[in-house]
Amino acid sequence: GDSVTQMEGPVTLSEEAFLTINCTYTATGYPSLFWYVQYPGEGLQLLLKATKADDKGSNKGFEATYRKETTSFHLEKGSVQVSDSAVYFCALSDPVAGNMLTFGGGTRLMVKP
Amino acid sequence: EAQVTQNPRYLITVTGKKLTVTCSQNMNHEYMSWYRQDPGLGLRQIYYSMNVEVTDKGDVPEGYKVSRKEKRNFPLILESPSPNQTSLYFCASSLSSASYNEQFFGPGTRLTVL
Repeated sequence: GDSVTQMEGPVTLSEEAFLTINCTYTATGYPSLFWYVQYPGEGLQLLLKATKADDKGSNKGFEATYRKETTSFHLEKGSVQVSDSAVYFCALSDPVAGNMLTFGGGTRLMVKP
Repeated sequence: EAQVTQNPRYLITVTGKKLTVTCSQNMNHEYMSWYRQDPGLGLRQIYYSMNVEVTDKGDVPEGYKVSRKEKRNFPLILESPSPNQTSLYFCASSLSSASYNEQFFGPGTRLTVL
């Protein structure tokens, strides 16, 4: 079946540091890929998405590129802020499985001033 | 404001006492689903619905029931809760079942079964 693997956290960075959270996937079909973010006490919000190979999703300074050859969708940000502290989930939606999202385990990011 | 709402937000109950968690969306979305979130496991889908009166099992449906009598509502029913159903539950909706559609999540319901 489909699966998503992302780096375990927590990831602790200083403000203005560069962020990378790795995400790789396996899928039966040709999936769409997503990054969701969960702030403390809240539900998940879509951060960015990509629906085909070589697409780059971007939002709020975060970027991720759909790499079919390496089955990866790594999340990056050039300069993190304290307000970016949250849990980040990589997920895929496989057309073979309708709109069911398969999630990675989540990576907690803590940014210190 | 476009949103997904869930009630209650917090619930503590005892083994075997039937409960219902409500979910409602005001975006006229066709697709709705329930997930549970457990530490280290991410979110796993319990049930989903592609439209009114159309529901199907997700990855972890055991011990749960759902119904979709109206487009906006998708309640989750635990007829005989057990401690292993202690979890954080999220309802989500999207425009359709197309895989590229974003899902919108509710704020979550934290359930504890003693």
